[in-house]
Amino acid sequence: DAKTTQPPSMDCAEGRAANLPCNHSTISGNEYVYWYRQIHSQGPQYIIHGLKNNETNEMASLIITEDRKSSTLILPHATLRDTAVYYCIVGPNNAGNMLTFGGGTRLMVKP
Amino acid sequence: GAVVSQHPSWVICKSGTSVKIECRSLDFQATTMFWYRQFPKQSLMLMATSNEGSKATYEQGVEKDKFLINHASLTLSTLTVTSAHPEDSSFYICSAYGDSSYNEQFFGPGTRLTVL
Repeated sequence: DAKTTQPPSMDCAEGRAANLPCNHSTISGNEYVYWYRQIHSQGPQYIIHGLKNNETNEMASLIITEDRKSSTLILPHATLRDTAVYYCIVGPNNAGNMLTFGGGTRLMVKP
Repeated sequence: GAVVSQHPSWVICKSGTSVKIECRSLDFQATTMFWYRQFPKQSLMLMATSNEGSKATYEQGVEKDKFLINHASLTLSTLTVTSAHPEDSSFYICSAYGDSSYNEQFFGPGTRLTVL
């Protein structure tokens, strides 16, 4: 599986958009980009995933560059409850495969 | 989304004892379950993959005789930490995947094990 690189930590003001970057320069053509988050002492929570088109759901938007070597997760209006570690993972479009978690980005939303 | 539960949510045991952790998929049939371990301030590390009715596949460096995994039904997998030692103290998390309309893995809330 391709590896990902994320900044270890980021701050965001409450109510503002949080933009979390992820580099995945070795991603292969059939690999998807998945985003999960983990709130302290809880299990990870699925956020969104995509292949090459931008995706949006009720939680977030995923912007994938045209060359697919990087992506950005956008939380449009961050709240204090969005404080968590966000993991960017690349893998096949079969969620039955193992997920390899990297270091993630610790997002701190501040009032 | 689907729900995965774990029991217990936390457990404290004495060194040398065995501890069993259950992972259940509550509203779907999980053909595959994964077990992860997470030490403080670290990321999740995959321990093993289990498919219903077959032996688990362990990741390199994980002792299969120490971490016994059973996936006897489509809704239940168990992880037994045998002869636990303080270095086994960790946060154990399971995830489940099933052939349903959900193309994602669902994670349990985790079990915190403390070995004294």
